[in-house]
Amino acid sequence: EDKVVQSPLSLVVHEGDTVTLNCSYEVTNFRSLLWYKQEKKAPTFLFMLTSSGIEKKSGRLSSILDKKELSSILNITATQTGDSAIYLCAPANSGGSNYKLTFGKGTLLTVNP
Amino acid sequence: DTEVTQTPKHLVMGMTNKKSLKCEQHMGHRAMYWYKQKAKKPPELMFVYSYEKLSINESVPSRFSPECPNSSLLNLHLHALQPEDSALYLCASSQSPGNTIYFGEGSWLTVV
Repeated sequence: EDKVVQSPLSLVVHEGDTVTLNCSYEVTNFRSLLWYKQEKKAPTFLFMLTSSGIEKKSGRLSSILDKKELSSILNITATQTGDSAIYLCAPANSGGSNYKLTFGKGTLLTVNP
Repeated sequence: DTEVTQTPKHLVMGMTNKKSLKCEQHMGHRAMYWYKQKAKKPPELMFVYSYEKLSINESVPSRFSPECPNSSLLNLHLHALQPEDSALYLCASSQSPGNTIYFGEGSWLTVV
């Protein structure tokens, strides 16, 4: 059975802090790992990472996958209150038409002014 | 803004009702998904359609019936639901299986 563990489950920081969110996984036929941000609505896509190990960046957010450790981190620098959300990690299998994501429980990030 | 459109945004239905959730995308994506999300839980996969064919059914009860009339549309027919089926139902799509999955805004379902 596929497993996804995110840590910490919740995190409270002050504006300007830097945070690192962790995701470890055990997925049969791993293909890629996706990060999503979810506020009070649907998840919005952040990054897709593959075993190439290439870091992805978008503004203050960056993420990288360690295929040896079967893990990924999401970094957010200079946090803002608008970063408050649940961050979901979702590894994907490579099962062709059986492709699917398995979501972790998420990290609830609260950024206080 | 998401390009996956779901209707209705909110639905309240009785346990004997028959209703449908609708999802539409015009990105030319050939894979479409239904996820269910309960409060404070991650999304859980229900169904996957790949090139208009059902490819994954995650042992979903038969009171949920998916339908993919064409490559742009995905429906979820609901019948004889239980109160515990109340949740956010998320539709998503990807260019093809294996590509980034994009979510719609979701349909909040309450079963009374």
